Amino acid sequence: NFMLTQPHSVSESPGKTVTISCTGSSGSIASNFVQWYQQRPGSAPTTVIYDDNRRPSGVPDRFSGSIDSSSNSASLTISGLKTEDEADYYCQSFDGNNVIFGGGTTLTVL
Amino acid sequence: EVQLVESGGGLVKPGGSLRLSCAASGFTFSNAWMSWARQAPGKGLEWVGRIKSKSDGGTTNHAAPVKDRFSISRDDSRNTLYLQMNSLKIEDTAVYYCAADPAPGNYYDSQGPMGYWGQGILVTVSS
Repeated sequence: NFMLTQPHSVSESPGKTVTISCTGSSGSIASNFVQWYQQRPGSAPTTVIYDDNRRPSGVPDRFSGSIDSSSNSASLTISGLKTEDEADYYCQSFDGNNVIFGGGTTLTVL
Repeated sequence: EVQLVESGGGLVKPGGSLRLSCAASGFTFSNAWMSWARQAPGKGLEWVGRIKSKSDGGTTNHAAPVKDRFSISRDDSRNTLYLQMNSLKIEDTAVYYCAADPAPGNYYDSQGPMGYWGQGILVTVSS
C-alpha cells in the first residue's frame, strides 16, 4: 500500500524558513496532486496548499509547496516563520480512489 | 461563506450504531464531492471515505478499516452528508470531520479534494 512519510517534528526560530518533507513509499508522487493541511491545537484542519503548489485565498504567500520527483517527495516551505504557524501539518495524496494522509509533522516555532 | 457542521456524535457501546450528519451551506451542495476523515485521540488524520456528486455518478469509496461497517450517503435536498457507522469498535473512537470540495475539477473554484473542513464531532466507543 502507498504511504506518505513525514518527519515527526521540526523546529525553527521566528523569522526563519522551514521545510517539511513528505516522501512517497512507491510509484511516483508526481502522479497525483499533493495537499497540505494545517491543524492548530484544538482546531479542525485547514488547507494551506492544494494541487502541489496552489494556495487557497487567505493563506499568506509565506506558504509554498513543491514536488521533487528525484526524491519522490513533496515539500511544504514556510518562510518568515511566525509563532502562529506553530501547528501540526499533514500532507495528503491518493492511492487510486483512496485518500492517503502522511503521519503529520509538529512544527514548533521557538 | 462555506460552513460544514457535524452532529450526531456521542457515546456508544461496542457493537452499536451511530449516524453522523454534516449540514452544509455556502456552496452548491449537489455539485460537491464530500468526504469524512477522523482523528483518534492524540493521533493523526485518517481518511474514512468519500462520495461524489450525483452528476459524477454518486459513487462512494471507503477506507479498508471501515469498508464493511460504515456507509456514506447524501441528501442533496437537505444539503446534508451522512456517515452511518455500524458494528462500532473501541478503535473507532475519534473526532470525525466532514470535508468538502465544492467544485471538483474546476481549476478556478476548487481548493482541493478536502478544501473545507467542519469543526468535527467526537464519537466515543466504550462499554
